[in-house]
Parts: sequence; C-alpha cells; structure tokens
Amino acid sequence: KAGVTQTPRYLIKTRGQQVTLSCSPISGHRSVSWYQQTPGQGLQFLFEYFSETQRNKGNFPGRFSGRQFSNSRSEMNVSTLELGDSALYLCASSPGSVVNNSPLHFGNGTRLTVT
Amino acid sequence: QKEVEQNSGPLSVPEGAIASLNCTYSDRGSQSFFWYRQYSGKSPELIMFIYSNGDKEDGRFTAQLNKASQYVSLLIRDSQPSDSATYLCAGGGYSTLTFGKGTMLLVSP
Repeated sequence: KAGVTQTPRYLIKTRGQQVTLSCSPISGHRSVSWYQQTPGQGLQFLFEYFSETQRNKGNFPGRFSGRQFSNSRSEMNVSTLELGDSALYLCASSPGSVVNNSPLHFGNGTRLTVT
Repeated sequence: QKEVEQNSGPLSVPEGAIASLNCTYSDRGSQSFFWYRQYSGKSPELIMFIYSNGDKEDGRFTAQLNKASQYVSLLIRDSQPSDSATYLCAGGGYSTLTFGKGTMLLVSP
C-alpha cells in the first residue's frame, strides 16, 4: 500500500509570496493532519481534516489555511510568507480521526525555505 | 496548555544495552500515547502506541504507561547502531496530538 505522498519535496519562496502544499493520504485514510517542524519548536500542530471538515486547528495565524477534497487529498496554503515560516511541513494521515486515538502516518514532508 | 516533555539528550548507550527513553505529559485527559522514531532528514515513523496503563511489548521495544504519574517510557532492548535517531513522544486522543521535542539516542558499536 502506498504511503503518504507530499509534493513538492522542496520549495524556495520569497517573503510576501504565497505557497500551496499538497498531500495524498494512504488509501482508505480519511483524516489528514498537518504539522510544522522546526529545530527550535519541534512538531507543532497546524490542523486536522476529516471527511472534508476541519476538526481542529492549532495556534497559527490565519495566513495558514487548508482544505480537504472528497478523495481525502489535502492542500495547505500559506499566504504572505515570512522568514519564520521556513520549516519542514509534514502531512500525516490516519484511518480515523486523531480525536479517536487513531495513529498518524507521516509523509516525507515539504521543506519550505523563505528568503 | 497541553505539554509533552522529553529530555533532549543525547542519550548514549553501547550496542547491546537497553535504552530507556522517558516522557511526561501535562494533560490528564490524554488517552493515547505514541512513540515515533525520526532519522536525521527523514519524517517520523510510528514505532508503538499505548492506551492502557502498564507495559506493551513489540519485538525489542516496550512501551510503558503510568497515567497516575503522567509518565510514558520506551525501552529498547539489545540496542543497535541503526536505532540511533530522535525519538518523539506524543499524547492525545480527544483533541489534537501533541508532540514532545524528542530525545536523541546514540548507540555506539
């Protein structure tokens, strides 16, 4: 069974631009969660989508948004990029919602660099 | 605010020894706990999960949960150099999954 696929793997943007990251979950998984990982802060939760509905949202500004499509694929968008947005963005899928103790399976991540 | 705390390490053990990784959490409502392994430059990989008090064994790995003490641990028996990685503890279950910052484990041959 194919794992979680994230595209692109690497991205370089300049301040003020916007970016869209894509995530295809494991087949049959209905939940997709997004995390930001930085050396100083570790893994920080952005949001979770389950059956096209946002279930939870982390403590990030409104510049960070996401959505999920009917085939469970998800996209995350960051507008008006700042230098501090440089990070590894990880997508994780699970069979059920995280709310129901379902374990996460991570993709390889998108490394975003903002210059 | 929900927090999961881990010693950043590095924890150094010789090959063949038992590595003990520890984690404490602040949210008494947490129901499920997960251990992930992350190699440098790679994404986290699920090793084990535990929901009930006590021990859970899977091969060389044993997870231990003590809800009264809000404490989770991971024991790795017969440690191998290939076990050298950062180990992330995560807790959650009724809301988001909160991760600790991880403990770096170094297993020397």
